[in-house]
Amino acid sequence: GAVVSQHPSWVICKSGTSVKIECRSLDFQATTMFWYRQFPKQSLMLMATSNEGSKATYEQGVEKDKFLINHASLTLSTLTVTSAHPEDSSFYICSGLGASGQPQHFGDGTRLSIL
Amino acid sequence: KNEVEQSPQNLTAQEGEFITINCSYSVGISALHWLQQHPGGGIVSLFMLSSGKKKHGRLIATINIQEKHSSLHITASHPRDSAVYICAVHAPMNYGGATNKLIFGTGTLLAVQP
Repeated sequence: GAVVSQHPSWVICKSGTSVKIECRSLDFQATTMFWYRQFPKQSLMLMATSNEGSKATYEQGVEKDKFLINHASLTLSTLTVTSAHPEDSSFYICSGLGASGQPQHFGDGTRLSIL
Repeated sequence: KNEVEQSPQNLTAQEGEFITINCSYSVGISALHWLQQHPGGGIVSLFMLSSGKKKHGRLIATINIQEKHSSLHITASHPRDSAVYICAVHAPMNYGGATNKLIFGTGTLLAVQP
């Protein structure tokens, strides 16, 4: 089945640093990538949707200057959390979509802890 | 009220039991997904369906479009089935924001005891 590789799996860093999370589709071309955030015991919240070669569409309330998304190729999307603060600590997960009407394929997620 | 409601929120079962998780939604959809999230956080897509019934191994998913309801059944449950099961629906084209968005239920935490 289709595989999405996400890394790092977890990261701990100091407040004020920027963190980049990568999401790669290994055996299919992801025309669309989704970035989600999940707090403990809550469901996934969509942060933004990116299509290869175009600007990401951010959900209401998500700061685009803080959560930078790049989808430069059909197999790679990155999320950079800029100037991270403790409140940005969360579980971030990406998913890739090949063709419309197909299921999304999820990465294993990145657990981000900001000290 | 959430647009996608799941019940129960928590479920404990004994190994071998037949399990049913329910999902009701209030928006028009093109498809519904059942996802499985393990304690480590990774998510696996179990089913994507828009009508009728699908079966994969011990898992069965059904959907009734008219009643806006779907069920996920697990037969002969096993401790390795312990996970959070999430129902998600494909948002309609006029929902707002990007296309192909999923609207998620809050999940059902299943624990199967040996």
